[in-house]
Amino acid sequence: QVQLEESGGGVVQPGRSLRLSCAASGFTFSSYAMHWVRQAPGKGLEWVSVVSSIGRNNYIADSVRGRFTMSRDNSNNRLYLEMNSLTAEDTAVYYCAKEASSSSYWGPYPFDSWGRGSLVTVSS
Amino acid sequence: IQMTQSPSSVSASVGDRVTITCRASQGIDNYLAWYQQKPGKVPELLISGVSTLQSGVPSRFSGSGSGTQFTLTISSLQPEDVATYYCQKYNAAPFTFGPGTTVHIQ
Repeated sequence: QVQLEESGGGVVQPGRSLRLSCAASGFTFSSYAMHWVRQAPGKGLEWVSVVSSIGRNNYIADSVRGRFTMSRDNSNNRLYLEMNSLTAEDTAVYYCAKEASSSSYWGPYPFDSWGRGSLVTVSS
Repeated sequence: IQMTQSPSSVSASVGDRVTITCRASQGIDNYLAWYQQKPGKVPELLISGVSTLQSGVPSRFSGSGSGTQFTLTISSLQPEDVATYYCQKYNAAPFTFGPGTTVHIQ
């Protein structure tokens, strides 16, 4: 079955960088667009970014554009989120999520599988 | 496109009918999904395409609407339905979520 497992979270000082990874298995990773979604403590879901199935295109939310970069390695079934210039407002659980149907680009499909999330805490 | 939900919280008795509304600031055709997130758990896809229940979702859940206004209905609230429900547009990036509606049992 589909498995998504995030890693790389932890406590980081403001202004520093962190890279999250998501290991995927149980499906043809290279055929699906993938997303990152975050959830600050006690808050709602915030969509962060998407990368196309072949990794050529991505779209980053306005709130993090210019600081976050999303990429993927289809040879190793891994997804990445590079986060720079982190602030306390970036403190959240970060989920990777898979689209419900395969595509060469992304959408329009909802997210049918989610990882368990990786907690990022930005604090001095 | 902004997504709003109402109410932000609802408390009802077991067996009650619960209705949650989601509004998009612009038309999103039928690219509207609902997710359920139980306390301490990962979000799960409940409904896609406004009204298509995912496999395994109880039939007491239903979705309706079109254009800019959508509704999630729980026809007979059960204790296991205690959760926060989020709508999401997925017609195009950004794939914005609504702020969520938390359902409690009275």
